[in-house]
Amino acid sequence: EADIYQTPRYLVIGTGKKITLECSQTMGHDKMYWYQQDPGMELHLIHYSYGVNSTEKGDLSSESTVSRIRTEHFPLTLESARPSHTSQYLCASSGRTGGSQPQHFGDGTRLSIL
Amino acid sequence: AQSVTQPDIHITVSEGASLELRCNYSYGATPYLFWYVQSPGQGLQLLLKYFSGDTLVQGIKGFEAEFKRSQSSFNLRKPSVHWSDAAEYFCAVGAMDNTDKLIFGTGTRLQVFP
Repeated sequence: EADIYQTPRYLVIGTGKKITLECSQTMGHDKMYWYQQDPGMELHLIHYSYGVNSTEKGDLSSESTVSRIRTEHFPLTLESARPSHTSQYLCASSGRTGGSQPQHFGDGTRLSIL
Repeated sequence: AQSVTQPDIHITVSEGASLELRCNYSYGATPYLFWYVQSPGQGLQLLLKYFSGDTLVQGIKGFEAEFKRSQSSFNLRKPSVHWSDAAEYFCAVGAMDNTDKLIFGTGTRLQVFP
């Protein structure tokens, strides 16, 4: 059973606020990912990390930033939230070997910017 | 570039009926293929995966999928659908660049009538 946790599950907040979405995993996975998913739509990769101190931009441009100071923790930050950031954000992780390990997902954070 | 196509946006079946969800991929070599399921408000759960070997793979919840290289397909099947199977189903192909990145299809929403 995968153990990956996202907090908060739901967040409604005003424009201009700084937001941090938390993601933690207890499996010791090296690779972690952030996806953005609009309702009823596919997932778009916005950030990923190979390991500690590694962060890369994903396929979809995002104004958010990420950090990876500890293996288990991969927070996503929006410095100044805007209504266009309203979406669901999903965090995932995968094991050491490349190209063959499935990703394990958290339950997501549904973000609404007023 | 790799891509995944799920031709059916929305499928409706009666409880107890059989199910087949279609997935076609574009990739030159043998890909890593996955099926995920997403219930409303939740993250993605891995149903099954194909890496190599037997082209018929068994997954959780009674699902199976068959890899057909000649058709570039990886269709998901279930002989008898339960009402609890209503969800969004995503097919994905693994990027062959040692990142474990996934390319997702646009998903198929399954509705089950009693």
